[in-house]
Amino acid sequence: EPEVTQTPSHQVTQMGQEVILRCVPISNHLYFYWYRQILGQKVEFLVSFYNNEISEKSEIFDDQFSVERPDGSNFTLKIRSTKLEDSAMYFCASSVAQGAPGELFFGEGSRLTVL
Amino acid sequence: GENVEQHPSTLSVQEGDSAVIKCTYSDSASNYFPWYKQELGKGPQLIIDIRSNVGEKKDQRIAVTLNKTAKHFSLHITETQPEDSAVYFCAASISGGGADGLTFGKGTHLIIQP
Repeated sequence: EPEVTQTPSHQVTQMGQEVILRCVPISNHLYFYWYRQILGQKVEFLVSFYNNEISEKSEIFDDQFSVERPDGSNFTLKIRSTKLEDSAMYFCASSVAQGAPGELFFGEGSRLTVL
Repeated sequence: GENVEQHPSTLSVQEGDSAVIKCTYSDSASNYFPWYKQELGKGPQLIIDIRSNVGEKKDQRIAVTLNKTAKHFSLHITETQPEDSAVYFCAASISGGGADGLTFGKGTHLIIQP
């Protein structure tokens, strides 16, 4: 069964460092997303990406964040200068949806720990 | 924007009993309501979803009901089993999982007591 894969599974970084989280969405999907989940809290929407550009972004997704689809398969989330409060599980998701809405498939997440 | 409230935050039931988790949403334009199950250390997995043109949907032991007028929807799990223990999230979307993604509730930790 096709699945969304994410790397790394866990990254520890120092405050102020840049971090790139990588995702390979399901191959025929058109919409790509990043969500985050701070420990013990709900899953929060960060950004959606369609047709090589950002479709929507939340208030959390400030100038420190960026997304990119550098090739036909990868979808990345970059945090330019990490803060302690960026520590969270980051989930990538993808869906077929265009016109007809569809299920979001989530990856297993990348745990980011900022020290 | 959309706001989704979910109750209870923790639910403990005896194996074999039923469990009900309730959610309310604020934006009447929302039209897609999925439920996700999250096991420890894993990403959320869709277990059932419902669209606003349907009032109820069932899949084996799992059912979801939607009341558009009251803007609430519920997850019902019957004959609970130990493997049902997990965190369950409800969510709502205006575009049905398209551009605006999903707004999640805070989650319900379901504990099945043997």
